[in-house]
Amino acid sequence: GAVVSQHPSWVICKSGTSVKIECRSLDFQATTMFWYRQFPKQSLMLMATSNEGSKATYEQGVEKDKFLINHASLTLSTLTVTSAHPEDSSFYICSARDEGPPYEQYFGPGTRLTVT
Amino acid sequence: RKEVEQDPGPFNVPEGATVAFNCTYSNSASQSFFWYRQDCRKEPKLLMSVYSSGNEDGRFTAQLNRASQYISLLIRDSKLSDSATYLCVVTADRGSTLGRLYFGRGTQLTVWP
Repeated sequence: GAVVSQHPSWVICKSGTSVKIECRSLDFQATTMFWYRQFPKQSLMLMATSNEGSKATYEQGVEKDKFLINHASLTLSTLTVTSAHPEDSSFYICSARDEGPPYEQYFGPGTRLTVT
Repeated sequence: RKEVEQDPGPFNVPEGATVAFNCTYSNSASQSFFWYRQDCRKEPKLLMSVYSSGNEDGRFTAQLNRASQYISLLIRDSKLSDSATYLCVVTADRGSTLGRLYFGRGTQLTVWP
C-alpha cells in the first residue's frame, strides 16, 4: 500500500520554541493532507486540512497562527507548532489522500511532541 | 454530542474468546464506516470497511445498522496479537476514506494467554 512518512518521530523541546513536523507521501501525490492530534486515551481530532498551493482549512478551536501549515508540493506538508507550551504535548499524525484509485487516506507513523 | 461514541473498555479476554465492540454515530448523513486498529504509540491502520449487509474478514465480522446509527465489530477466536485499540470511524464520503474522518476514542482490547 501507499506509504506516508513523518519526521521527526519524536521531539522534545522547551517552552516558547517552535517545532516543525514534516509529512511526506513517498510513492504517490497528495493534493490534500490532514493533520490530527491525539491526546492520551482520546480520539484522533482533526486539526486542519492541508491543500497543496492554497491555505489550510482549520477546524474550530485550532489557532491558525499557532499551528502553521505549509503544503508547498504534492508530496510534502509541514506543521509548525509555534511558541510551544506543555499543553501542546501530544501525538501528531498526518494523513495523505491518494489522488488516484483506490482514493484512500493513508496515515503517517505520527510524531510525539513533548514540551518541557 | 460527539460525532462517534464508543465504549472505551478496557476489554480483557483470554485467547480464543469472542469479543464484541459497539459504536454509535450522530450524523445520519454519514455514508461510509470503518474499523481501524491502533497499536500503542502507533498510527491507526485500516482493519475493515463496514457495509450495510454486514461483512466478514476471517475472524472479524462488522455490522452496520443505519436506522439505529450503530456499528459493531465481532472478533472470534481472539489471538494475543489482537491486543490493540479499535477505533470506529465514519465519514460523509461514499465508499472510501477520501475525505474527513471522524474517529471514536477507541475501545481497548487486551487478550491474555
